[in-house]
Amino acid sequence: GESVGLHLPTLSVQEGDNSIINCAYSNSASDYFIWYKQESGKGPQFIIDIRSNMDKRQGQRVTVLLNKTVKHLSLQIAATQPGDSAVYFCAERSGYSTLTFGKGTMLLVSP
Amino acid sequence: ETGVTQSPTHLIKTRGQQVTLRCSSQSGHNTVSWYQQALGQGPQFIFQYYREEENGRGNFPPRFSGLQFPNYSSELNVNALELDDSALYLCASSSIGQGLINSPLHFGNGTRLTVT
Repeated sequence: GESVGLHLPTLSVQEGDNSIINCAYSNSASDYFIWYKQESGKGPQFIIDIRSNMDKRQGQRVTVLLNKTVKHLSLQIAATQPGDSAVYFCAERSGYSTLTFGKGTMLLVSP
Repeated sequence: ETGVTQSPTHLIKTRGQQVTLRCSSQSGHNTVSWYQQALGQGPQFIFQYYREEENGRGNFPPRFSGLQFPNYSSELNVNALELDDSALYLCASSSIGQGLINSPLHFGNGTRLTVT
């Protein structure tokens, strides 16, 4: 079936750097995308979402970019902090279907 | 606002046994979904309930079943447990409102099931 995947399994950055986590999706019918953060021992935590009629959305320190032409999604985290260390998942949905998750990227932030 | 809560947090069962996991949805949410997350993997969709009816199912066998109650709480039941059922089971709630637009899924912290 259709799937969502990530390019980099692990990303290591220094505190204060900007982080970019990438995600490729294959379902051209997907119209809604979400980024989740999952810390050890916890469930996924909603970060930011974007609908397919947009190509950029900003939150607090985070920006999601959507490129429908190449089916690519990215999450940018500004001024990365040690508390940002976690596994990040992108997920996609088509219509009223449920979310399909990728495998995740581990973000490691060094002080 | 109360978030999604799941019980128990950890559970150890023997192959062949049956297990029931419970979930209380976030207040105001009318839809509940269950996901299975194997170690090092993303969550995999099991099924979704809306208005006490299953309205979507992933690639899981019938021995995975569920219920949604009038207060929007939910149960996940797994019969004839297999070793590969060992995973983190996540419950997520959302709201289907006017226009049938789903809100983002909000997850609980999961139940860690170990099958020996």
